[in-house]
Amino acid sequence: SAVISQKPSRDICQRGTSLTIQCQVDSQVTMMFWYRQQPGQSLTLIATANQGSEATYESGFVIDKFPISRPNLTFSTLTVSNMSPEDSSIYLCSVGRGVDTEAFFGQGTRLTVV
Amino acid sequence: AQRVTQPEKLLSVFKGAPVELKCNYSYSGSPELFWYVQYSRQRLQLLLRHISRESIKGFTADLNKGETSFHLKKPFAQEEDSAMYYCALRRAGGNTPLVFGKGTRLSVIA
Repeated sequence: SAVISQKPSRDICQRGTSLTIQCQVDSQVTMMFWYRQQPGQSLTLIATANQGSEATYESGFVIDKFPISRPNLTFSTLTVSNMSPEDSSIYLCSVGRGVDTEAFFGQGTRLTVV
Repeated sequence: AQRVTQPEKLLSVFKGAPVELKCNYSYSGSPELFWYVQYSRQRLQLLLRHISRESIKGFTADLNKGETSFHLKKPFAQEEDSAMYYCALRRAGGNTPLVFGKGTRLSVIA
């Protein structure tokens, strides 16, 4: 299994500011994934973070808005930049351990932009 | 493209009644299918995966490739089953992200 710690667990931020979310895993993993869950919606993949290379973003998400760092095999950050109320969501990080294994999730960061 | 469809947003059943949460998928390759559950104020956690063909908390799910379905079933619902259920698909390979359905909220009424 993998234990994922995410922080902060929640925050209320002013529009126009940025928030960096941290994700720490208790073991080394190759890939980490960042998802967004908007109110009443399912999880949508933002990007895939591979250690040592730039993150790969999904359609509709750009690096300027959601810069990601992956400095080592156990840690990643996601920054939500220049926030607006539409960014109010739960942000989750996730890791997979290989073929036929489950994906593990952090507890999520509940972001409210006012 | 991969897509997961959960047609029911909300499903209410009485305690002791059978439950079936529907999930259909669209994927041209060989997928891995999962059911994840999120209880109130808890993190998302794995309930079932098709490859293990196990029963967890009385729930089962069978992958039907002909119908591209992976419906979740339980013969007798319990109140503690009330939660949000997400069907998810992943390309075979393990280090690929999950594609989620919109989720079904199951409410078990006493």
